Amino acid sequence: NAGVTQTPKFQVLKTGQSMTLQCAQDMNHEYMSWYRQDPGMGLRLIHYSVGAGITDQGEVPNGYNVSRSTTEDFPLRLLSAAPSQTSVYFCASSALGGAGYTFGSGTRLTVV
Amino acid sequence: RKEVEQDPGPFNVPEGATVAFNCTYSNSASQSFFWYRQDCRKEPKLLMSVYSSGNEDGRFTAQLNRASQYISLLIRDSKLSDSATYLCVVNKGNKLVFGAGTILRVKS
Repeated sequence: NAGVTQTPKFQVLKTGQSMTLQCAQDMNHEYMSWYRQDPGMGLRLIHYSVGAGITDQGEVPNGYNVSRSTTEDFPLRLLSAAPSQTSVYFCASSALGGAGYTFGSGTRLTVV
Repeated sequence: RKEVEQDPGPFNVPEGATVAFNCTYSNSASQSFFWYRQDCRKEPKLLMSVYSSGNEDGRFTAQLNRASQYISLLIRDSKLSDSATYLCVVNKGNKLVFGAGTILRVKS
């Protein structure tokens, strides 16, 4: 099915470990973004991209890196995991100027 | 002050009831407005866009008041399946800013 695919769905990390959350879309959307969702705080933007080779920081970028080498893929890297990064992470994409985002099903990350 | 503010609820209503949610936003330059629905432990999904003239989609009606920077969502004839969290969303440049959501519980 067309849409946004995120992997893994669940992950447990130890403090200090690094990992990459994968996000891929097959709708040829220019815009892709990563959000984290914590109880009572809504979705907060981590990083976003308006096209291959272009990325920018969102509201809460510290501790995360992104790259956009292709239109389809937008991985999120945690450099050195901390318990404060325990959250649900969503990847989303849209056409530039589009009416709304399509979200992936999320990655539930726990850092112990 | 949060950029998008919503009453967290929960709103507990019986089936068939009419319920309204409100949302205020702080950025007067915002041009795009949406309501998203999020089911428990699932991703958000677009419910409807909100236009200046107001718009309706079946049992759902959205209104925008730019002067007061206020958005509303009205749900008529509530169904059990309407139970979810409703997210108010406003653009900030080419990014979307999400409210923390309003929880709706429809009970039989």
